[in-house]
Amino acid sequence: DAGVTQSPTHLIKTRGQQVTLRCSPKSGHDTVSWYQQALGQGPQFIFQYYEEEERQRGNFPDRFSGHQFPNYSSELNVNALLLGDSALYLCASSRTGYMNTEAFFGQGTRLTVV
Amino acid sequence: GEDVEQSLFLSVREGDSSVINCTYTDSSSTYLYWYKQEPGAGLQLLTYIFSNMDMKQDQRLTVLLNKKDKHLSLRIADTQTGDSAIYFCAESKVDSNYQLIWGAGTKLIIKP
Repeated sequence: DAGVTQSPTHLIKTRGQQVTLRCSPKSGHDTVSWYQQALGQGPQFIFQYYEEEERQRGNFPDRFSGHQFPNYSSELNVNALLLGDSALYLCASSRTGYMNTEAFFGQGTRLTVV
Repeated sequence: GEDVEQSLFLSVREGDSSVINCTYTDSSSTYLYWYKQEPGAGLQLLTYIFSNMDMKQDQRLTVLLNKKDKHLSLRIADTQTGDSAIYFCAESKVDSNYQLIWGAGTKLIIKP
């Protein structure tokens, strides 16, 4: 079992561009959560997907959107990139109904906006 | 409100005990967690405690919860160089589908 895998590992984009980050959950997991971790800070919850729908959302603008596919993998899309969007983006997978003792994190995608 | 606070740095000598502290403000938090983040690695769950517990011990790790003061601590006994990492405290509630609220992390520095 490969655990949670995220791609790409690193990405450089220009202000105003759009980016798509990808996440494959751990086998047996059906829920995917996305977090943004700015340098020197703790992760901030962006949103959570279950059954291909956004179930819960943190305090992020509509520029941040996502998708979950029937195989439970997920994408995070960010439009109109700002310099402040530079961060490590973490994906966590879990089984719905289980608390975070069942959540596993990927290694993240480091996004740099220039 | 939801806010989790931690000291940014802790420096200890190899072999000593490390105590990392965390305070939270949401008294309705159901679960409290300690995660470890090493450079280039994802977040690894170390241990967790239910809000109705006072203490939990797991090998070298001891978690203490003072619910009255909303204070959580993680003690690492016999600290080793491999314990060098950033340690995050996080809280979650059942009614938020276990959404995690995180502290800023404490960087543990091991002195030889």
